[in-house]
Order: sequence, then structure tokens, then C-alpha cells
Amino acid sequence: AQSVTQLDSQVPVFEEAPVELRCNYSSSVSVYLFWYVQYPNQGLQLLLKYLSGSTLVKGINGFEAEFNKSQTSFHLRKPSVHISDTAEYFCAVRPTGGYNKLIFGAGTRLAVHP
Amino acid sequence: DAGVTQSPTHLIKTRGQQVTLRCSPKSGHDTVSWYQQALGQGPQFIFQYYEEEERQRGNFPDRFSGHQFPNYSSELNVNALLLGDSALYLCASSLVDRESYEQYFGPGTRLTVT
Repeated sequence: AQSVTQLDSQVPVFEEAPVELRCNYSSSVSVYLFWYVQYPNQGLQLLLKYLSGSTLVKGINGFEAEFNKSQTSFHLRKPSVHISDTAEYFCAVRPTGGYNKLIFGAGTRLAVHP
Repeated sequence: DAGVTQSPTHLIKTRGQQVTLRCSPKSGHDTVSWYQQALGQGPQFIFQYYEEEERQRGNFPDRFSGHQFPNYSSELNVNALLLGDSALYLCASSLVDRESYEQYFGPGTRLTVT
């Protein structure tokens, strides 16, 4: 079985400051990793994914994430946030074998203040 | 190119009633997954449909059932509604090919049980 822990339920930050949203996972099998964003009253949008290869992956809207296998982490970063980045962010995993079923963390609310 | 659509957007039901939610997948997609997102939590996998059959199921009771039609659209039915069924129900579509990693989410149906 797999589980995902997002270490911060809320992250307040000022505009143009850097931010890191933390994600740890547990799995007995190898997994693919994802970050999704959910804006108010909307569905989920894929920010980025790690499948294999380089452990640093870049996504949309200037976000990037680094896969650390030894620490089973997949932290999301952005060097300079904007007000429009205010949203809920979800880390998710999917076993590399088997069906395309996502296991999500509880989410981190990013609040960007002017 | 239409994305994933869901109807209705909001729904209010009384305990004990039954509800049907609908989903149309992204054009070209053949697999539909349903997730339940309770307030303040990450989405939880309910089940997945492909070729009009349930392929995989999460930890949800039999009160939750589904259907997929020949045009790949899908319905989620919930019987004997409980207060705890109040949540945002998300539909996601993808391709059955296991190498296709992305799931595209709809905006969701907000179900309130009173």
C-alpha cells in the first residue's frame, strides 16, 4: 500500500518570496510522483510529474520539484511566488505497475500575501 | 477540445436519498475514475471504469456504484445517503494504456447531504 504525507497544512508567504511545499511518501513498490494544484471551486490541474530520469523536474507556472529516493520525498519549490499562486496543492503517487490510480496527500494551502 | 465535464455542479440531498452524478471524459479518453474529496482533505479513489466495467475499487461501501456507457461517459450512484457523503466528487479521465500517466480532472460536483 502507498501513503502520502504533506508536512504542512498551510504555508503563508509574501509575494515574490521563495516557497517550498513538502511531501513525503511511503510505498513498498516503486511509484510515479505528481503535484496537482486546485484553485477555488475548480478541479485539479497537473503541475508536474516524476516518472524516471533526472530527479529535478520542472512544471508549469515556474514550479519545480526534486525527487529524493533515499528520503522518499518530492518537495515542490518556486523561487518567487505571485498572488495568483494562492491555491491548494496536492502531492500524489501512483504505483509504476498496475492501474492508473492516484493516492493523494491531504493538501497544503498556499496563501500568498502582498 | 472539450475537457472533462461534470454535472450537476451542486446538489443538495436528504439523508437516505439516492443521487446520480455524471461525467463526460476528455475527447479521446476511454477510462474514467471517480474520487471523493471531503472538506479539507485530499481526493480519495472510489473506482475506475474501462470498457463499461469496473476495473479497480477503493475502500468504499457498496452504496457507491457506477456505470460507463459506450461513449465512455460515466455515472456515479450513491444510495442511502449519509451526512458523511457530503463532499466534492471529482471525475478524472485518462487512456487505458498504462504508460499514459496523466489524469485530467473535471471541476467536480459538490454534494451536500442534510
